[in-house]
Amino acid sequence: RKEVEQDPGPFNVPEGATVAFNCTYSNSASQSFFWYRQDCRKEPKLLMSVYSSGNEDGRFTAQLNRASQYISLLIRDSKLSDSATYLCVLQTGANNLFFGTGTRLTVIP
Amino acid sequence: GAVVSQHPSRVICKSGTSVKIECRSLDFQATTMFWYRQFPKKSLMLMATSNEGSKATYEQGVEKDKFLINHASLTLSTLTVTSAHPEDSSFYICSAREPGLPNYGYTFGSGTRLTVV
Repeated sequence: RKEVEQDPGPFNVPEGATVAFNCTYSNSASQSFFWYRQDCRKEPKLLMSVYSSGNEDGRFTAQLNRASQYISLLIRDSKLSDSATYLCVLQTGANNLFFGTGTRLTVIP
Repeated sequence: GAVVSQHPSRVICKSGTSVKIECRSLDFQATTMFWYRQFPKKSLMLMATSNEGSKATYEQGVEKDKFLINHASLTLSTLTVTSAHPEDSSFYICSAREPGLPNYGYTFGSGTRLTVV
């Protein structure tokens, strides 16, 4: 079983829509969780960390459900510039990072 | 925030030659750096963990004699692809995390697109 499972999409949504991605993980000992954004042919960039209490950054809301072992990312009022691949990443142990395969989002005018 | 510089960004080399990729932490010291490879439309795959002053730890299936890693200082790790073949063509990315800031996540270099012809 993969450490991290993520729906690859693609998600094609109109501007202004709300879209949500989920990511499940198998290791209950996972300690830290992140959402990264990767544009085509570029390196991943940290979008936000995910805290147990849930956290929000502008139009982006991240949540963690340890009981069900999943994290989610909600994007409200989608912009064209949100088009990218969103990677969920979890950390187990001191330096063990596991990446989801990424969910591709395309926001359509 | 933490900055990781990776060089070169793009390289084309002939089959059989070697290519060195550098990864530098610009404003922090990184005792550990990570090297990833990403094929088109695939996720990042960890190749190895580079440890300053000691041998790198390679993931299963990654040939340590082919992908030489040197982490001679707290700010520089290098990956050398030796005797490159066309199947080594990929996007190679390094990353590091600023110590003591776990919730900042990991910072990635801008990646190196290697094409072996």
